[in-house]
Amino acid sequence: GESVGLHLPTLSVQEGDNSIINCAYSNSASDYFIWYKQESGKGPQFIIDIRSNMDKRQGQRVTVLLNKTVKHLSLQIAATQPGDSAVYFCAEKAAGNKLTFGGGTRVLVKP
Amino acid sequence: EPEVTQTPSHQVTQMGQEVILRCVPISNHLYFYWYRQILGQKVEFLVSFYNNEISEKSEIFDDQFSVERPDGSNFTLKIRSTKLEDSAMYFCASSEEGQGHGYTFGSGTRLTVV
Repeated sequence: GESVGLHLPTLSVQEGDNSIINCAYSNSASDYFIWYKQESGKGPQFIIDIRSNMDKRQGQRVTVLLNKTVKHLSLQIAATQPGDSAVYFCAEKAAGNKLTFGGGTRVLVKP
Repeated sequence: EPEVTQTPSHQVTQMGQEVILRCVPISNHLYFYWYRQILGQKVEFLVSFYNNEISEKSEIFDDQFSVERPDGSNFTLKIRSTKLEDSAMYFCASSEEGQGHGYTFGSGTRLTVV
């Protein structure tokens, strides 16, 4: 069946350093990927997306890399700030409209 | 920035009771969704809705669940006879088109079944 990154690891990062969050997906038919940030008690907040015809996309302080060969997605956060502390989810979309979410990665930013 | 609004933020209900969770999607969006997140687990798809009908649903979305767009702005999820295992955060989302662009989530309703 479809699965996207089923575990919840924790990434501790020093304020000002760069963070890299990884996600493995299993559905090779997925054509659209989104990274979401979720703070405690809140809904998933859109960070950045990428379509399968691209391998890199940059936003403000964030970069998403897509490697379709190994079905791997990563989110890079530059100069991590305390406000970046949250759980980060990758999500994929294949046919239809539903998103399949990964298990998430908790990012803790140390001052 | 436009947002998806959900009410209530927290709902406590007795097992067996009916609950209705409410959502106001972003006004120019055409696709609407419900997801849920059991505490400590990942976000799971329930149902998508387009053109006044369900376009896709998951195995979780059984006969006790229903969705409705009663007017031009609201989108509701009804759980007919709640069970303890329905306790979760329920997220509404909307997108402007079917390819996923602009997929925006609300802040959720925490449903507690006692």
